[in-house]
Amino acid sequence: GIQVEQSPPDLILQEGANSTLRCNFSDSVNNLQWFHQNPWGQLINLFYIPSGTKQNGRLSATTVATERYSLLYISSSQTTDSGVYFCAVLPLYNQGGKLIFGQGTELSVKP
Amino acid sequence: NAGVTQTPKFQVLKTGQSMTLQCAQDMNHNSMYWYRQDPGMGLRLIYYSASEGTTDKGEVPNGYNVSRLNKREFSLRLESAAPSQTSVYFCASIRAFFFSGANVLTFGAGSRLTVL
Repeated sequence: GIQVEQSPPDLILQEGANSTLRCNFSDSVNNLQWFHQNPWGQLINLFYIPSGTKQNGRLSATTVATERYSLLYISSSQTTDSGVYFCAVLPLYNQGGKLIFGQGTELSVKP
Repeated sequence: NAGVTQTPKFQVLKTGQSMTLQCAQDMNHNSMYWYRQDPGMGLRLIYYSASEGTTDKGEVPNGYNVSRLNKREFSLRLESAAPSQTSVYFCASIRAFFFSGANVLTFGAGSRLTVL
């Protein structure tokens, strides 16, 4: 089945710093999403981005489908950005709807 | 609009006991999923239901069964709980896995299960 790898596994930033999180996937996809899990465990969708670039405030994401990776950019980080960031993919060549997650990047933003 | 509702939020079981986690969504979604989350392991897919009337195994199906009761409801059953099933369980739904438009996965709040 499809493999999803995220890097780095852990990241510590000072407030105000920028960061880039990466998601590599081993096969073609028709759905890719980024999620943030806050310290209370709630999973919030950040981007639906199977291809192209999107921006939402200080966050932006780019997926290069032909090269099988996606990047999540966080600019001017804040302590509220802390938590775990996941990417999830749905393979294009029909695994019947099996939506698979990477292992996540744990981000800690220090004041 | 409640989104995805999971019950119970917390449960403690003894080894060998059985229980069912309930999940319901009110967004008219076709595809539903059960994941478990363990420290350092991300979210692993247990079972999914691509559409009403179908269910399929995910990455870690052993020890679990599921029922897609109707379009709204997708339950997860532990027939004989084991300590290795101590985890946080998340239910999620999506409009349809084959939908080509914006197709966002919506999660429930999670169910924390401890097996002693």
